[in-house]
Amino acid sequence: GAGVSQTPSNKVTEKGKYVELRCDPISGHTALYWYRQSLGQGPEFLIYFQGTGAADDSGLPNDRFFAVRPEGSVSTLKIQRTERGDSAVYLCASSLSPLNTEAFFGQGTRLTVV
Amino acid sequence: GQSLEQPSEVTAVEGAIVQINCTYQTSGFYGLSWYQQHDGGAPTFLSYNALDGLEETGRFSSFLSRSDSYGYLLLQELQMKDSASYFCAVRVLNRDDKIIFGKGTRLHILP
Repeated sequence: GAGVSQTPSNKVTEKGKYVELRCDPISGHTALYWYRQSLGQGPEFLIYFQGTGAADDSGLPNDRFFAVRPEGSVSTLKIQRTERGDSAVYLCASSLSPLNTEAFFGQGTRLTVV
Repeated sequence: GQSLEQPSEVTAVEGAIVQINCTYQTSGFYGLSWYQQHDGGAPTFLSYNALDGLEETGRFSSFLSRSDSYGYLLLQELQMKDSASYFCAVRVLNRDDKIIFGKGTRLHILP
């Protein structure tokens, strides 16, 4: 695709529910990042994929958060037993290679847990 | 741990020059990037410095001093459309492998 695509753009869910957020990176980009951004804050690192494997998942806040990228392209961020504190914009970014310096961001998924 | 410090807000006048500073503390430093984010939009890449010195791209320039763990973004001939948040970001490459963002600097431009 022309850019990084994230779906849905908005998601409202009830506390305790399970959600999946999808990221479709730019075609051919092997590096993929997930971030979480709260209002007035910078993007907070969650996880980085190189190909199909998670090269660094040190930013996942707890075991309710999990992400996969089974075929090295589309990635899904999964959040179990959502809490109100999980409400934020979840951003996905991709870059051409691990050492490529420019990351391209999607428009994000705004998650609201009520 | 990793940390980046940048001013929370900066105000400047249209047509002027503004500098946004960033200091960082990190292990495995690989390079410093700058991103721009308008309200409701996605961060967009502006520049990257891996080596000491100044990189110029049009009205924007970015500087890095690795020995001082310091960099800055310089915006010249400010335009109203430059009103946005600006983030410095560090590429970390050692046992960890990630891009860490600062909290951002909100740039207000006065006519």
